[in-house]
Amino acid sequence: GENVEQHPSTLSVQEGDSAVIKCTYSDSASNYFPWYKQELGKGPQLIIDIRSNVGEKKDQRIAVTLNKTAKHFSLHITETQPEDSAVYFCAAKSGGYQKVTFGTGTKLQVIP
Amino acid sequence: DGGITQSPKYLFRKEGQNVTLSCEQNLNHDAMYWYRQDPGQGLRLIYYSQIVNDFQKGDIAEGYSVSREKKESFPLTVTSAQKNPTAFYLCASSIRSSGTFYNEQFFGPGTRLTVL
Repeated sequence: GENVEQHPSTLSVQEGDSAVIKCTYSDSASNYFPWYKQELGKGPQLIIDIRSNVGEKKDQRIAVTLNKTAKHFSLHITETQPEDSAVYFCAAKSGGYQKVTFGTGTKLQVIP
Repeated sequence: DGGITQSPKYLFRKEGQNVTLSCEQNLNHDAMYWYRQDPGQGLRLIYYSQIVNDFQKGDIAEGYSVSREKKESFPLTVTSAQKNPTAFYLCASSIRSSGTFYNEQFFGPGTRLTVL
């Protein structure tokens, strides 16, 4: 089955700096890669996603890149703000049904 | 106000007791899911259901059971056979789709279960 590795497990940045979270996946058939943000005491919420036929996608201060050859994808957050502090999960979907495999999460702390 | 509700937010049980976690959605979604979240391990799929009266095991189904008698409801029972039940449990739902297309999963706020 699919295996998703996520790094780093914790990340501290100064407000205004950029943050990068990296994930690798094992199944070359994976074709969809969502990123979720989980705030303390809440369920995860989708923030951005990318499909395997696209190399990069941006939405305001967040962007995701995908390298299918190397089987890795990354989340980039620019001009970080304190409200960006949360746990971020990457995930990968393979196969013909709704199952996704999640990474282990990155706790991002933005220091004011 | 549409969404997914999970109750209670915190749940305490004695070892050896079965406990049922509630999940209700009013998003008219066909598919529903249960995940377990442990520190440092991300989200792991317990069970999922694509349609009423049908469900499949996920990656860690042992010690858990589910039912899907209504479209809106997908309760999870943590049985005494689950060896390490203390965890944060998340329910999610999505539009059902076929083939390789993926529909966003919407998560509830979670239930933290502590077995004493």
